[in-house]
Amino acid sequence: KAGVTQTPRYLIKTRGQQVTLSCSPISGHRSVSWYQQTPGQGLQFLFEYFSETQRNKGNFPGRFSGRQFSNSRSEMNVSTLELGDSALYLCASSLGSDSVTFGSGTRLTVV
Amino acid sequence: AQSVAQPEDQVNVAEGNPLTVKCTYSVSGNPYLFWYVQYPNRGLQFLLKYITGDNLVKGSYGFEAEFNKSQTSFHLKKPSALVSDSALYFCAVRDRGTGGFKTIFGAGTRLFVKA
Repeated sequence: KAGVTQTPRYLIKTRGQQVTLSCSPISGHRSVSWYQQTPGQGLQFLFEYFSETQRNKGNFPGRFSGRQFSNSRSEMNVSTLELGDSALYLCASSLGSDSVTFGSGTRLTVV
Repeated sequence: AQSVAQPEDQVNVAEGNPLTVKCTYSVSGNPYLFWYVQYPNRGLQFLLKYITGDNLVKGSYGFEAEFNKSQTSFHLKKPSALVSDSALYFCAVRDRGTGGFKTIFGAGTRLFVKA
C-alpha cells in the first residue's frame, strides 16, 4: 500500500512569506500528526488531527496552523516566516494505538 | 505527563560488536513503546514496538529491544553492529490522553558504527 506522501520535498521561502505543506496519509488512517525537526531542538510535536478535528497541539506560536480534510489529507501553514522556521517538517499517520508511519518530510529553508 | 529520555546523544561502536541504545520512559498507564530509525534527509522508519506480551521484542534489520517495567526502560540492542546501522535512533511512547493517542519522541541518539 502507498505510504505517507508529503509535498513538496524541498522549499525555499523568504522571511515574512507564508507556506503551506501537504500530507496524504496511508489509506484508512484517520490520524495525522505534524512534527518539526531541527538540529538544535530535535523532533518537536506540532499538532495532531483526527477526523478533521485538532486533538492535540504542541507549544508553537499561532503562526503555525493546520487542517485536515474529509479524505484525511492534511495541510499545515506557517505564516510570517522566520529564519528559525527552517527545518524538516514531518507528517505521520496512524491507526489507533499502532505505530505512526512517517512521510519523507518537507525541507523548508527560510532565507 | 508522559516523557521519553535518551540519555546518550551519541553511541560509538565497532562493526561486529554488540550495540545498545538506551531509552527510559514515563507514562501514567500501560506504555506503547516504539523505536524508529532515521537516515539523512529522510523520515523516520519504524523498527519495532512493544504493546504487551514478551519483554523481548524483535524488529527489523536484526534489532531487538527489551522492555523492563521496573526500570521503565526500553533499550534497543543488536548482537552484531553493521556500518550501515549508522543513523539517528528515536525512542517513542504512545500514550492515550483525553485527546486521543499522542506520540512523544526522545531527543534521539546518533549511532556511529566504525568499520
